[in-house]
Amino acid sequence: EAGVAQSPRYKIIEKRQSVAFWCNPISGHATLYWYQQILGQGPKLLIQFQNNGVVDDSQLPKDRFSAERLKGVDSTLKIQPAKLEDSAVYLCASSLDLRSRYEQYFGPGTRLTVT
Amino acid sequence: AQTVTQSQPEMSVQEAETVTLSCTYDTSENNYYLFWYKQPPSRQMILVIRQEAYKQQNATENRFSVNFQKAAKSFSLKISDSQLGDTAMYFCAFMIALYGGATNKLIFGTGTLLAVQP
Repeated sequence: EAGVAQSPRYKIIEKRQSVAFWCNPISGHATLYWYQQILGQGPKLLIQFQNNGVVDDSQLPKDRFSAERLKGVDSTLKIQPAKLEDSAVYLCASSLDLRSRYEQYFGPGTRLTVT
Repeated sequence: AQTVTQSQPEMSVQEAETVTLSCTYDTSENNYYLFWYKQPPSRQMILVIRQEAYKQQNATENRFSVNFQKAAKSFSLKISDSQLGDTAMYFCAFMIALYGGATNKLIFGTGTLLAVQP
């Protein structure tokens, strides 16, 4: 089966600009996650969707980050405006449903550099 | 709050040798999962092995095995017969086993960079 797809793979922007990342989960996976991985750290959950509803966005900086999952399939994560500290790898993951929650499959990530 | 600690930022092992990566965690929960993920330079997170906290038997996946000490809150990964392709960053991760729609986020440690030398 096809894995989790993400685009772009790399993005370089200047601070205060906007950027958007796209994620296409594995077909049929109801749960989708966005993680932020800062260099030298482990990934940290930003937001979790179950179908098109938000389960957890407690660590999402809502003043500048937003995410949506229209129609319960693809998802986009947006940063507006970007700050230097947003430089990180943004990982998308999906799982079949909440009952198979431990089986999270990750995409290749998008490396964002803010200058 | 749950925390995961990996105290070895980098490790090196000779090809065909055995290496053990350490991980400790802190939680007041009784039901949870523990994981080891591998992240090669391609950045793709790959699940290596999973352990359910209620299981006393240590998980094993081919050359990978864990030593799960629940009382000590320790979860180490042993890689036997190390191969060049094992070179990667290894992350220990924790997940609370909640049900009924609650979040099931993974909480990661800071990682251990493993280099397998030829």
